[in-house]
Amino acid sequence: QQPVQSPQAVILREGEDAVINCSSSKALYSVHWYRQKHGEAPVFLMILLKGGEQKGHEKISASFNEKKQQSSLYLTASQLSYSGTYFCGTERLVGSGNTPLVFGKGTRLSVIA
Amino acid sequence: NAGVMQNPRHLVRRRGQEARLRCSPMKGHSHVYWYRQLPEEGLKFMVYLQKENIIDESGMPKERFSAEFPKEGPSILRIQQVVRGDSAAYFCASSRQGVNTGELFFGEGSRLTVL
Repeated sequence: QQPVQSPQAVILREGEDAVINCSSSKALYSVHWYRQKHGEAPVFLMILLKGGEQKGHEKISASFNEKKQQSSLYLTASQLSYSGTYFCGTERLVGSGNTPLVFGKGTRLSVIA
Repeated sequence: NAGVMQNPRHLVRRRGQEARLRCSPMKGHSHVYWYRQLPEEGLKFMVYLQKENIIDESGMPKERFSAEFPKEGPSILRIQQVVRGDSAAYFCASSRQGVNTGELFFGEGSRLTVL
């Protein structure tokens, strides 16, 4: 099941903050966040695991509410380089074995001077 | 340490031809994932493979599409009898272990155009 991201797009001025949300209808084991610039490969930002462990970017923070199957990505004091499309990828909670990441449709972030 | 390598970067095919997209994962990575991306859309999961095994192909169309990851050599996504709707960017990603242990490393993608 594809996670739902909101908003679909956002425009910020340099220095402003933004929050991008990701929700799933299925129980989740982990949530990943990636950023993709136009014409380039997606780049890893953050992984949030069931149980509270986080690994990722120092300047970007995120939360994972396991009970609600929701995650939020917090971008503070935005810079021009933050522009791109942000994708959340979710890994389902299953009995055993690995499952692939299923990505949302993305949130397009534009930071202007 | 070289990243995920995909080739060709751009491929043009006429309707009915075959397209073969190759992906060499990062050194030491045994998990490979293929995603399709249409313009202005997200990454749609297609197939997840480990060496010589297909783990999850729930995102693969039932016909014309196949994938393999042999013991030696790159992973290959094969599209037979291509149609215009197959035009898209196809991204390959790899990981050392399952996704819950860390990041996926993506290749630059292969952009297929069907005339």
